[in-house]
Amino acid sequence: GQQLNQSPQSMFIQEGEDVSMNCTSSSIFNTWLWYKQDPGEGPVLLIALYKAGELTSNGRLTAQFGITRKDSFLNISASIPSDVGIYFCAGVSSGGSNYKLTFGKGTLLTVNP
Amino acid sequence: GAGVSQSPSNKVTEKGKDVELRCDPISGHTALYWYRQSLGQGLEFLIYFQGNSAPDKSGLPSDRFSAERTGGSVSTLTIQRTQQEDSAVYLCASSPYMNTEAFFGQGTRLTVV
Repeated sequence: GQQLNQSPQSMFIQEGEDVSMNCTSSSIFNTWLWYKQDPGEGPVLLIALYKAGELTSNGRLTAQFGITRKDSFLNISASIPSDVGIYFCAGVSSGGSNYKLTFGKGTLLTVNP
Repeated sequence: GAGVSQSPSNKVTEKGKDVELRCDPISGHTALYWYRQSLGQGLEFLIYFQGNSAPDKSGLPSDRFSAERTGGSVSTLTIQRTQQEDSAVYLCASSPYMNTEAFFGQGTRLTVV
């Protein structure tokens, strides 16, 4: 089946630093999604990308849909303590009206104040 | 409510017992997903419903797992003869028709003792 390789698995940074994480796949996806999960909560959608090459920002977050449609990255600028959590990428492949999300294993982000 | 609602939020059951987990999707959303998340792990796809189409059951780990979606709305995930390895957080998500942005509930934490 389809698999996403998400890296790094974990990051420890100081408050104020920028962060970058990425996902790669051997398969082509139609859409890339980035989620954040806080402890005890479900994942929350941060950014959705629909076109190859698309660069989208949401506040301090910036994500890009790779030209090859097989990868995506997420950048967080000027990190703050509340950025702590697990970040997941998800690729969406579609066939007809069926949309299937495949998730990466997540990046655990720790921000030291 | 406005979001995806899952119940119960926590469930402790004895090995061998059956359990039912419930998901109320966002009103009007035609697609519904179930995922499983083990401690410190990513999201494992279980099953996907889209409208009246036959569900994609390719992620169900064994025949002890089944899911129904009644009237195109509420879904129930049933695990029969639970085993300790079934302990995990079970997450439900829904999305609008022909839309890839899935919104998650808070999950049901299942503990099999």
